[in-house]
Amino acid sequence: EDQVTQSPEALRLQEGESSSLNCSYTVSGLRGLFWYRQDPGKGPEFLFTLYSAGEEKEKERLKATLTKKESFLHITAPKPEDSATYLCAVPSYGGSQGNLIFGKGTKLSVKP
Amino acid sequence: EAGVTQFPSHSVIEKGQTVTLRCDPISGHDNLYWYRRVMGKEIKFLLHFVKESKQDESGMPNNRFLAERTGGTYSTLKVQPAELEDSGVYFCASSQDRQGAREQYFGPGTRLTVT
Repeated sequence: EDQVTQSPEALRLQEGESSSLNCSYTVSGLRGLFWYRQDPGKGPEFLFTLYSAGEEKEKERLKATLTKKESFLHITAPKPEDSATYLCAVPSYGGSQGNLIFGKGTKLSVKP
Repeated sequence: EAGVTQFPSHSVIEKGQTVTLRCDPISGHDNLYWYRRVMGKEIKFLLHFVKESKQDESGMPNNRFLAERTGGTYSTLKVQPAELEDSGVYFCASSQDRQGAREQYFGPGTRLTVT
């Protein structure tokens, strides 16, 4: 069964304290891995798509990496405005490529 | 460019009533998706439209849910009759890519509460 597991469930950081979020996936055939950011009361906001092991993408203080079994979202010198829930998703192998399987997310809090 | 919009933002109905949620995708996006997040659980896929056709409806929970996308523009999701377990946040998303594999842009969601 296709599955996405994110850890930790919650992460509290001080401003400037770098860390990483993990997304482990089990899917028969990977057709991309998506990272989203979600703020309270809003819909998920697209961040990155990764397609193959070894691929990396960066955006401001965020860098996403991909291996054959997991993806990491590295946050360098975070700021309070980076506080949000970060979601990871992969397309279901048996469904359409738009059928995304989401993890439960990691809730990040960055304190000034 | 306007994003994905959803209406209403919040709906409170009684068990047994009918509710219709509406989604307007980004203009020009052929792909439209519905997802649902039940409290404490992950976001779950409901269905995928390509224009007016249902590409994948494997996530629809039962026949109380009916999704339509007449004309390939906006979509509606009707729940009839609503049950308590239907409470949650319903998200709509759209994408331009034909295969639906590229980034999906989400709306703000409709919070449905069934009492």
